[in-house]
Amino acid sequence: QPVLTQSSSASASLGSSVKLTCTLSSGHSSNIIAWHQQQPGKAPRYLMKVEGSGRFNKGSGIPDRFSASSSGADRHLTIFNLQSEDEADYYCETWDSDTWVFGGGTKLTVL
Amino acid sequence: EVQLLESGGGLVQPGGSLRLSCAASGFTFSNYAMSWVRQAPGKGLEWVASVSGSGVSTYHADSVKGRVTTSRDNSKNTFYLEMSSLRAEDTAVYYCAREDVSGSFYNGFWGQGSLVTVSS
Repeated sequence: QPVLTQSSSASASLGSSVKLTCTLSSGHSSNIIAWHQQQPGKAPRYLMKVEGSGRFNKGSGIPDRFSASSSGADRHLTIFNLQSEDEADYYCETWDSDTWVFGGGTKLTVL
Repeated sequence: EVQLLESGGGLVQPGGSLRLSCAASGFTFSNYAMSWVRQAPGKGLEWVASVSGSGVSTYHADSVKGRVTTSRDNSKNTFYLEMSSLRAEDTAVYYCAREDVSGSFYNGFWGQGSLVTVSS
């Protein structure tokens, strides 16, 4: 089954941009992944799916500040013009052979 | 508007059993696969189980295989997770989730969660 690797933490200043990365394990570099945001004390919220080509589709109501890209086995989530409400945990998700997998999550701090 | 509402959580003793329910509304329930995802205190998300739209196919994580059963009643727009032989490490918030687009597999909608605490 696939393994998703994420950095445990990231930080960036208010109004700046940040790029988070989710890396797919060997043999799964073409997998589609989904990004989810979890603000403190809240349920997860779906942000978007990202394909190996870099094509992405956002969920309803997701601001234009959120974007995505791909490079090989890496799937990136970029947040522009960071706002205080972007401080949250970000998880990537994929599935393969009847198994769903989540990355360990990246805790984003907005300075 | 898609809505998912979990219920049935609570305090249960080690070795006990529990059934969680997820009431769905705002979409044609039988068209979508559903999943349970849990989050232990201070930890990340962990997939638990999924069921196809028809309910014919079910899938379970190795960590819970043999101890959980997932099912759905499409006539009631409700999705279930039955857990037995519960352990302290099963303590978590359990989220119900729906795939984003029919056949997409990845989760696109989440419920608010139901807390399950396994303790004596």
